[in-house]
Amino acid sequence: EPEVTQTPSHQVTQMGQEVILRCVPISNHLYFYWYRQILGQKVEFLVSFYNNEISEKSEIFDDQFSVERPDGSNFTLKIRSTKLEDSAMYFCASQVDWGSYNEQFFGPGTRLTVL
Amino acid sequence: QQPVQSPQAVILREGEDAVINCSSSKALYSVHWYRQKHGEAPVFLMILLKGGEQKGHEKISASFNEKKQQSSLYLTASQLSYSGTYFCGAGTNAGKSTFGDGTTLTVKP
Repeated sequence: EPEVTQTPSHQVTQMGQEVILRCVPISNHLYFYWYRQILGQKVEFLVSFYNNEISEKSEIFDDQFSVERPDGSNFTLKIRSTKLEDSAMYFCASQVDWGSYNEQFFGPGTRLTVL
Repeated sequence: QQPVQSPQAVILREGEDAVINCSSSKALYSVHWYRQKHGEAPVFLMILLKGGEQKGHEKISASFNEKKQQSSLYLTASQLSYSGTYFCGAGTNAGKSTFGDGTTLTVKP
């Protein structure tokens, strides 16, 4: 069964460093998301991406964040200068097409620890 | 706009039923339900789009009221495997999903 994959599973970085989190969505999917979940809290929407551009973003997704689909398979989230409060689990999700009526498939997540 | 979930936590015995509610002060474009087990990614359960819609998935079903401001998730004859945190998500037509705070369901033998 096709699945969303994410790498790395755990990333430890120093405050102020740049990190890139990688996701490989399901191959025929066109709509992609990043979410984060701080330990013990709810899942928070960061950004949705469709047709090579950002579709929607939340107030969390400030200038420190960027997303890219550098090739036909990867979908990346970059945090330019990490802060302690960026420590969280980051989930990528993909959806077959545009529209909130389609199921989102979540990847296993990347745990980001900022020291 | 973040939907409000209730209750925050439920403890059940196997075989008992539970209802989890998700409400909004404004009509939602869609509502979707996920279950997340500790340390794992959320898993999609179902999505509702139309006012008055009801959907079922084995012993887990959900409804969306006519005004599209409230959705309820029904878990009947609960099993140990139902334990986890249930989130409702309010979707926009542009694909943004805002999740509620979650309801932790614990099913005991």
